[in-house]
Amino acid sequence: AQSVTQLDSQVPVFEEAPVELRCNYSSSVSVYLFWYVQYPNQGLQLLLKYLSGSTLVKGINGFEAEFNKSQTSFHLRKPSVHISDTAEYFCAVVQGAQKLVFGQGTRLTINP
Amino acid sequence: NAGVTQTPKFQVLKTGQSMTLQCAQDMNHNSMYWYRQDPGMGLRLIYYSASEGTTDKGEVPNGYNVSRLNKREFSLRLESAAPSQTSVYFCASSRTSGSSYEQYFGPGTRLTVT
Repeated sequence: AQSVTQLDSQVPVFEEAPVELRCNYSSSVSVYLFWYVQYPNQGLQLLLKYLSGSTLVKGINGFEAEFNKSQTSFHLRKPSVHISDTAEYFCAVVQGAQKLVFGQGTRLTINP
Repeated sequence: NAGVTQTPKFQVLKTGQSMTLQCAQDMNHNSMYWYRQDPGMGLRLIYYSASEGTTDKGEVPNGYNVSRLNKREFSLRLESAAPSQTSVYFCASSRTSGSSYEQYFGPGTRLTVT
């Protein structure tokens, strides 16, 4: 079965600083990966996804992620964060029959 | 286009009471899902329905039942609530055709069992 590990439960950064949220997945033949964002008291919304093709995936709100097959990683990055990026971020992998397996989440806190 | 809607938004139950969480989607999706979210544990799949008329257990099905009423609606029932079922519950839906795999989430139901 597929699994996902988010390596940091909390990441504090200063506004306008770069950020990287780390995600590792268990190896498989085909991998479909997602990053979702959850703002306070809301549901999850899709940031970006990797299904195939270019390993650098661009998403909404200036986020991007790189699929690295050799390191089984799919880290999320943003070059300059804003207060509005404060949220919880979830990495997820498809597991058969279109089920998603989620990581434990990373809480991103932006300090002014 | 409302997307995925859930009712109620909040609920407080006493141990042993029952309730049904409602979910509906207007995107003509075949698949629907129920998750629970607990601190530090991400989202865990309770039940899912790959298509109208079918349901399957997910990772944490004990204490729950589901009904896929029609293509639009997928309800989650707690027959005898327990404090361990205090959580935030999310419904989601997705297409099954093509290679999208993306799931669309509702706003959640915050349930407290005392």
